[in-house]
Amino acid sequence: QKEVEQNSGPLSVPEGAIASLNCTYSDRVSQSFFWYRQYSGKSPELIMSIYSNGDKEDGRFTAQLNKASQYVSLLIRDSQPSDSATYLCAVNAPAGGGNKLTFGTGTQLKVEL
Amino acid sequence: GAGVSQSPRYKVTKRGQDVALRCDPISGHVSLYWYRQALGQGPEFLTYFNYEAQQDKSGLPNDRFSAERPEGSISTLTIQRTEQRDSAMYRCASSSTNYEQYFGPGTRLTVT
Repeated sequence: QKEVEQNSGPLSVPEGAIASLNCTYSDRVSQSFFWYRQYSGKSPELIMSIYSNGDKEDGRFTAQLNKASQYVSLLIRDSQPSDSATYLCAVNAPAGGGNKLTFGTGTQLKVEL
Repeated sequence: GAGVSQSPRYKVTKRGQDVALRCDPISGHVSLYWYRQALGQGPEFLTYFNYEAQQDKSGLPNDRFSAERPEGSISTLTIQRTEQRDSAMYRCASSSTNYEQYFGPGTRLTVT
């Protein structure tokens, strides 16, 4: 079992719809969770961080964390073509692994006109 | 302010040569991380520093790989006797004390 799992996609949504991206992780001591956006040929860009159970909203983005289910998700409201990218889920487990991040393979999102 | 910078952006080298990749973190960031990213994959951890101290090098593939950060700022990742399997995008990230890591543009290494 991979430490951080994501559906590779592509996930296609129409413009203006809500895109829902999901991630599961295996290490129960994980404490910090991050979503990065990576455009083709570019470096990962941090868009959301979440540390406690529940929802965290930032503009059109909402991160949701459920530690009991070892599940973290990212919702993108009013999806735009410019949101088309690969979204990487990353997990940090300082107690077990220092400050390193373990990444999933990413979910490719396509927002269609 | 300025983000993380890396140099060179592209490096082509012949098998058996040594290469040095440089990372200049965001000013004031105490932690610096090195990752390697293959096409279609997420970044894979190599090593990280707090200030000048190397805290974790568990991700370095073998003893041909080493890293240093002698003054707690700029870091160098060195690969000795390069092999074709070392070809990848090498990414550097830095963070302050809140674990949020910010990535540089990366160095694309090609070993021929």
